[in-house]
Amino acid sequence: NAGVTQTPKFRILKIGQSMTLQCAQDMNHNYMYWYRQDPGMGLKLIYYSVGAGITDKGEVPNGYNVSRSTTEDFPLRLELAAPSQTSVYFCASSYTSGTVSYEQYFGPGTRLTVT
Amino acid sequence: AQSVTQLDSHVSVSEGTPVLLRCNYSSSYSPSLFWYVQHPNKGLQLLLKYTSAATLVKGINGFEAEFKKSETSFHLTKPSAHMSDAAEYFCVVAGGGNKLTFGTGTQLKVEL
Repeated sequence: NAGVTQTPKFRILKIGQSMTLQCAQDMNHNYMYWYRQDPGMGLKLIYYSVGAGITDKGEVPNGYNVSRSTTEDFPLRLELAAPSQTSVYFCASSYTSGTVSYEQYFGPGTRLTVT
Repeated sequence: AQSVTQLDSHVSVSEGTPVLLRCNYSSSYSPSLFWYVQHPNKGLQLLLKYTSAATLVKGINGFEAEFKKSETSFHLTKPSAHMSDAAEYFCVVAGGGNKLTFGTGTQLKVEL
């Protein structure tokens, strides 16, 4: 299993540009997540999905959009990049059943700089 | 709602000495708790997890943590630090929908 994969590893964007961060998992997990990590801070949840076709906002969703057309893929879209979106972005997945919380598996991250 | 407080932003130990990374949590119900480690420029790796079974949880690389409900704590320990343990450690609590709330992290430095 490749686990959780993310592309690209690094990206520099100009203000106002758009891009899509790709995330895929091959563990047949139902839940997927997008986080951002800023220096000196823990990870903050941007969006999450409990299954194909279902997404919901996390703690910091503004400026981002997601879709989940398949179990495996969960892309994150930045429409109008702003310097405040400079961060490291992590995708994660987990299997969740009822109220039992299983561990999340993280991808290697995408380092995004907006200038 | 749940929250996590990591009491030390930086911890420095000598190689071969014990490690203690402190974490307090707040949760309105019986929590699931995790410790993750992040090495420089890497993703997060699960060290150990507590999900209401044994209160003393053993993880990878000799780490363990004890869940203390009366103290709302979940401190991470290791008897003897190794240079390779130098990394950032996150205490995490899981809420509804398996949404994780992360602490702000503890940077562990291991000196010779």
